[in-house]
Amino acid sequence: GESVGLHLPTLSVQEGDNSIINCAYSNSASDYFIWYKQESGKGPQFIIDIRSNMDKRQGQRVTVLLNKTVKHLSLQIAATQPGDSAVYFCAETYGGATNKLIFGTGTLLAVQP
Amino acid sequence: GAVVSQHPSRVICKSGTSVKIECRSLDFQATTMFWYRQFPKQSLMLMATSNEGSKATYEQGVEKDKFLINHASLTLSTLTVTSAHPEDSSFYICSAGVSNSPLHFGNGTRLTVT
Repeated sequence: GESVGLHLPTLSVQEGDNSIINCAYSNSASDYFIWYKQESGKGPQFIIDIRSNMDKRQGQRVTVLLNKTVKHLSLQIAATQPGDSAVYFCAETYGGATNKLIFGTGTLLAVQP
Repeated sequence: GAVVSQHPSRVICKSGTSVKIECRSLDFQATTMFWYRQFPKQSLMLMATSNEGSKATYEQGVEKDKFLINHASLTLSTLTVTSAHPEDSSFYICSAGVSNSPLHFGNGTRLTVT
């Protein structure tokens, strides 16, 4: 059941600012990483992915950075908009993109107008 | 492409009854699907891997007799919560994908056991 007092880390930013969401992953053998966005009451939505042979990948308004040395991922969102408000999860897997994903704890991004 | 659909989106059942949740891949075939459970303000926890034509693989701590998984076709996996209790109330989410593409998720099923 739900753990009493558990809450998601929250990042509050002003509309138009850049956001950086961080994630520490657990398995040094993981070779594929994904960022998902989850809005309230919905399933996770794919944002961007990166393989372990890369350290940076850019999409539209988003950039993912991978530091394998310290097992750290970050998601950068440029010019954050109110529609970006959601919970963001990093996920890791190994052995193939369609293998089981292990999710991080998540970060709630709150965009202030 | 790669659309995953879940049904129902919400279900309320009485304690002791069973509930079936369906997960369909609408525009692709999925030999493997994954079932997750998510409690409020928490992350997604992998429950099991559903394998078409064979038994599901359950994660540690997940009771296979309580959470029955059937993957009878390449586009449908079902999760049945048997003898549901209030502590089974949660958000259940399935996912599937095509080879070498990121997994896509259904929109989840909110189960409330009264």
